[in-house]
Amino acid sequence: EIVLTQSPGTLSLSPGERATLSCRASQSVSSSYLAWYQQKPGQAPRLLIYGASSRATGIPDRFSGSGSGTDFTLTISRLEPEDFAMYYCQQYGSSLLTFGGGTKVEIK
Amino acid sequence: QVQLVQSGAEVKKPGASVQVSCKASGYIFTNYYMHWVRQAPGQGLEWMGIINPSGGATTYAQKFQGRFTMTRDRSTSTVYMELSSLRSEDTAVYYCARGWYGAHFFDYWGQGTLVTVSS
Repeated sequence: EIVLTQSPGTLSLSPGERATLSCRASQSVSSSYLAWYQQKPGQAPRLLIYGASSRATGIPDRFSGSGSGTDFTLTISRLEPEDFAMYYCQQYGSSLLTFGGGTKVEIK
Repeated sequence: QVQLVQSGAEVKKPGASVQVSCKASGYIFTNYYMHWVRQAPGQGLEWMGIINPSGGATTYAQKFQGRFTMTRDRSTSTVYMELSSLRSEDTAVYYCARGWYGAHFFDYWGQGTLVTVSS
């Protein structure tokens, strides 16, 4: 099983600031098969990024993903009020799909 | 537009079984895999299994093998999950989620179904 560790657990930032979220895998994620999701309270997750760096349909370009192997990053270039939420990474390079524990981006 | 509509909340006693449905619309049902993911209160996301709506083949996470079953009805474009021998730790929101073009990430999600296990 590939274990994904997200850090930090909580990120306290102000609107307009840059957010950098990390997702580290316990072993290499093949073909950069890594996705990122945003989840707000009471809602289902929403796909942001797949293939480590490809934005999903309708996702603003302030969201970007990067990384390969075991280290991946989600960057939000300038936080908008609607971006304060939980973020999860997920790997799909192995038959057992796994998620990270999440990073909460909160308003400072 | 793609929609996944799940059945309503359930309250079950320990040891019982629960079935949750997920009705798909807005796309060709048999062209996309469907997954189930759960989220315990205040916790993260946990993948449970996948079904190919075309042939019905399934793969389950080892943790759930033996008490988790996924089925589908092509005539109504609906997938079902059944979890048996429920225990309090199974209290969670259960989501169906569509796999994108055969790759195992999730582009559309159902609204979630809360299953509460309590005596």
